[in-house]
Amino acid sequence: QVQLVQSGAEVKKPGASVKVSCKAPGNTFISHYMHWARQAPGQGLEWMGTMNPSDGSTTYAQKFQGRVTMTRDTSTSTVYMELSSLRSEDTAVYYCARDRGLGFLEWSFDPWGQGTLVTVSS
Amino acid sequence: QSVLTQPPSVSAAPGQKVTISCSGTNSNIGKNYVSWYQQLPGTAPKLLIYDNDKRPSGIPDRFSASKSGTSATLGITGLQTGDEADYYCGTWDSSLSGVVFGGGTKLTVL
Repeated sequence: QVQLVQSGAEVKKPGASVKVSCKAPGNTFISHYMHWARQAPGQGLEWMGTMNPSDGSTTYAQKFQGRVTMTRDTSTSTVYMELSSLRSEDTAVYYCARDRGLGFLEWSFDPWGQGTLVTVSS
Repeated sequence: QSVLTQPPSVSAAPGQKVTISCSGTNSNIGKNYVSWYQQLPGTAPKLLIYDNDKRPSGIPDRFSASKSGTSATLGITGLQTGDEADYYCGTWDSSLSGVVFGGGTKLTVL
């Protein structure tokens, strides 16, 4: 059973940045693209972007371009999502999810991490 | 306002069948594969269907899906109380160059 393990909850002030981590199984880390999505309280899912762990290339949703940065550490099989210039509307549960495709993007997500609650409040 | 349109809620009795619709456009559902996700209360989403109609291993055949034109449908038969959850459709949108989701449908098993 593949599991993605995310870092713990964060509380940040407006204007600050947050960096969330997601640890994936080491043996297949570079074989699958990794996505990030978020879910505001009581709301639906919103895709933020994707990273190819093999070469670090990224594609970001237009809404987040300029504010989001996705990186990876191949030595620990961990991907990171950093969101800057936080505002109250960024309060949400942030999820990482692995793409089903093996070496290519299939645009279906399986599995998902357990989620990380980020609260932005003054 | 979500790019893909789903009914906010559906309901049915245990043992019955329910369908959930997902409506899009030619730039998303019309030309790309659709996935469906189940989100049980307080948990992360789980993949139910990929490539329009394929089930990952471990997903029972009570769950099925189809796509026609710019719409997709998820069907659940033999409803159980454990099926109560939010269901989301998702796909790539070629015009927006991003993944889009429906607003989610809350299933109540009466």
